Amino acid sequence: DTGVSQDPRHKITKRGQNVTFRCDPISEHNRLYWYRQTLGQGPEFLTYFQNEAQLEKSRLLSDRFSAERPKGSFSTLEIQRTEQGDSAMYLCASSPAGGPFNEQFFGPGTRLTVL
Amino acid sequence: QKEVEQNSGPLSVPEGAIASLNCTYSDRGSQSFFWYRQYSGKSPELIMFIYSNGDKEDGRFTAQLNKASQYVSLLIRDSQPSDSATYLCAVNLYTGTASKLTFGTGTRLQVTL
Repeated sequence: DTGVSQDPRHKITKRGQNVTFRCDPISEHNRLYWYRQTLGQGPEFLTYFQNEAQLEKSRLLSDRFSAERPKGSFSTLEIQRTEQGDSAMYLCASSPAGGPFNEQFFGPGTRLTVL
Repeated sequence: QKEVEQNSGPLSVPEGAIASLNCTYSDRGSQSFFWYRQYSGKSPELIMFIYSNGDKEDGRFTAQLNKASQYVSLLIRDSQPSDSATYLCAVNLYTGTASKLTFGTGTRLQVTL
């Protein structure tokens, strides 16, 4: 399977705990995005990497959230001191290098439930 | 005004009919436009994208773009029950450092037998 993969697919945690999600983009895609989606809403942009550089972060990404892409391949998204409002589907997407239209391909998502 | 607006639906069409899904956007600098299909509990799946005015056809799907009216639409011909899903319109805008997608809330399509 050469699509975007995410791990874990589901995560249940208690309020105040830290969680980390992983995304493996389509190989040779140098652009990687994180989105968050809540019920009844479209995905909301969180952050963007071009290779290992984090070029943009949404103001939705509070200081409890941190994302990395250390070698320009896989990425991790960590949420510290989780809150119930963090419950959502966290989606990762990747986009081809040099593509002018920015078509993005999504992974299956990680569904986070904070109790 | 929301950046990308869609009617939430549900839009109900009989099997075999044409489904017409609409989307308006607010930023005239938007460069490319995408339609994603999302089944309940699943992630968005890219159907097609368009970047120039006019129509673009791919199988049973036709995307239409009118930049002057800031309007994008998706037509689904010969609708099938398997087309029942939420359709997300997304708009790409280059911010100077990144190109990012802004999504609408989606239109739920129901294809009835």
